[in-house]
Amino acid sequence: QQPVQSPQAVILREGEDAVINCSSSKALYSVHWYRQKHGEAPVFLMILLKGGEQKGHDKISASFNEKKQQSSLYLTASQLSYSGTYFCGTELSGGGADGLTFGKGTHLIIQP
Amino acid sequence: DGGITQSPKYLFRKEGQNVTLSCEQNLNHDAMYWYRQDPGQGLRLIYYSQIVNDFQKGDIAEGYSVSREKKESFPLTVTSAQKNPTAFYLCASSMRMRPQHFGDGTRLSIL
Repeated sequence: QQPVQSPQAVILREGEDAVINCSSSKALYSVHWYRQKHGEAPVFLMILLKGGEQKGHDKISASFNEKKQQSSLYLTASQLSYSGTYFCGTELSGGGADGLTFGKGTHLIIQP
Repeated sequence: DGGITQSPKYLFRKEGQNVTLSCEQNLNHDAMYWYRQDPGQGLRLIYYSQIVNDFQKGDIAEGYSVSREKKESFPLTVTSAQKNPTAFYLCASSMRMRPQHFGDGTRLSIL
């Protein structure tokens, strides 16, 4: 079952904050976040495991609400380099090597 | 430098033709994956392999085939049975419970 990402697209001014959500109708073992620039390979951002932990580095962080089966990606004080399409990929089991089911993506445009 | 190499970058297929996309990794990763990306659809899993000589179908395996004879290599064949093969194909690899690393992709088009 494909996770649902929201919003589909967002336009921000440099320095503004953004939140991207990823929801699943099934119980998740983990959520992986990636950013992809046009025509390039996706780049890994972080993994959230079930247990509700929050992770982050620099001005990008994420959380995983196990009760809601929802993960949120937080981009603080956005920079021009944050522009791209953000994907969440989900795992249902804890095997760790079964492949991911990705959402359709959230397009983020940062304007100067 | 360690990484994942996909080739060719662009590929054209004629009607009724099978084509093979190459994916090689030197990261010593056990697991390898093939995804297909269409505009507005995100990435969809075609096949994956957790160990050499073993692989499993993903969500959209029909019309595709793979092999895993070496740890480093996981080629994908797009057969003539795949009626809509035009897409961006991404190969990835990972260790168990670790992030997937992606290659730069192959764009396949129909002549």
